[in-house]
Amino acid sequence: QKEVEQDPGPLSVPEGAIVSLNCTYSNSAFQYFMWYRQYSRKGPELLMYTYSSGNKEDGRFTAQVDKSSKYISLFIRDSQPSDSATYLCAILSGGYNKLIFGAGTRLAVHP
Amino acid sequence: ETGVTQTPRHLVMGMTNKKSLKCEQHLGHNAMYWYKQSAKKPLELMFVYNFKEQTENNSVPSRFSPECPNSSHLFLHLHTLQPEDSALYLCASSPPGNYGYTFGSGTRLTVV
Repeated sequence: QKEVEQDPGPLSVPEGAIVSLNCTYSNSAFQYFMWYRQYSRKGPELLMYTYSSGNKEDGRFTAQVDKSSKYISLFIRDSQPSDSATYLCAILSGGYNKLIFGAGTRLAVHP
Repeated sequence: ETGVTQTPRHLVMGMTNKKSLKCEQHLGHNAMYWYKQSAKKPLELMFVYNFKEQTENNSVPSRFSPECPNSSHLFLHLHTLQPEDSALYLCASSPPGNYGYTFGSGTRLTVV
């Protein structure tokens, strides 16, 4: 079983839609969860960072962690064409800042 | 620019060539990483360096040889690569006690 599973999509939505992106993970000991956004021909950039369970909101973005289900989500409200990118979930594993990434979900928001 | 600079941006090399990828950061970060990104696959961690010391080698074939002369520079030396090594190679760095990586834009490597 992979440590982090993420549906690669692609996901295509109209402008203004609410987008839900999800990952599952296998190890209940994981505590730190992140979402990265990667535009075409660029490296990933950190979008949101949460610790343990609960929600964290930043503008139009909400990150949610459900440790009982080992499920993490990223919600995007009022999606914009500029949100079109690949979104990667990442989980901190072990020491030395070792991040394990999901495969990434490609999102396209069309006007 | 994110503060992590990778060169070259694109590289085409034959299977018998030797080349090097370079990564540079002046963010004051102490940890540096090499990741491989292939289409529709998760980023694969290759190497981790903390304060110039290698702390992780994720079973990477010896045809990939990392070098970290100081906390600001990281190299990946390549020799006798295979076509399946074609991918985007990403460098990242992070400060002490912070799990947010800063990535470079990557080197797109094609092995012919």
